[in-house]
Amino acid sequence: GAGVSQSPSNKVTEKGKDVELRCDPISGHTALYWYRQSLGQGLEFLIYFQGNSAPDKSGLPSDRFSAERTGGSVSTLTIQRTQQEDSAVYLCASSPGPSNEQFFGPGTRLTVL
Amino acid sequence: EDQVTQSPEALRLQEGESSSLNCSYTVSGLRGLFWYRQDPGKGPEFLFTLYSAGEEKEKERLKATLTKKESFLHITAPKPEDSATYLCAVQAANNAGNMLTFGGGTRLMVKP
Repeated sequence: GAGVSQSPSNKVTEKGKDVELRCDPISGHTALYWYRQSLGQGLEFLIYFQGNSAPDKSGLPSDRFSAERTGGSVSTLTIQRTQQEDSAVYLCASSPGPSNEQFFGPGTRLTVL
Repeated sequence: EDQVTQSPEALRLQEGESSSLNCSYTVSGLRGLFWYRQDPGKGPEFLFTLYSAGEEKEKERLKATLTKKESFLHITAPKPEDSATYLCAVQAANNAGNMLTFGGGTRLMVKP
């Protein structure tokens, strides 16, 4: 079956511009996560959605970052007024439930010039 | 605060040379410990979940074990195609967000 998909695969933007990153989770998975992977930083948690519950935003680094999940499926991560330190690979993962293993997409590589 | 430390950071092996990767963790109640494999330019690929001390899981040349403080990923007679970065992550029992806390990874290179 289809895995987690993300788009675009690469995004180059100028400092100060807004960007939107998309994630399509595995069909039927109720939990969806966003992580960020930076050189030398490893994978860090950003935000978590579970069903219709309010999202856990505890990992978002600043109020320039936001995310939504429409209809319990597709999710969009938005970064406003991008900064060079936002350059990283943004990974989305989904799982059948909150305590199950998480399956990752291929990521979106964001470069802020 | 949950912490995960992986060692070594990088490991070079000859084909057929068995070895182990270490993952030490500190967590306020473990819900699960996860191992992933990540190839360059790709997302992490799920390998194993371990839930309690003493548990072991195997897949082909890989075997993962768990104690109360660390996990090992044993690689038996590795092949060049096993070259990748191996990531360890923990999920805390009191973690309402169910997010994973990752270690820095071990980059494994297997030479033919």
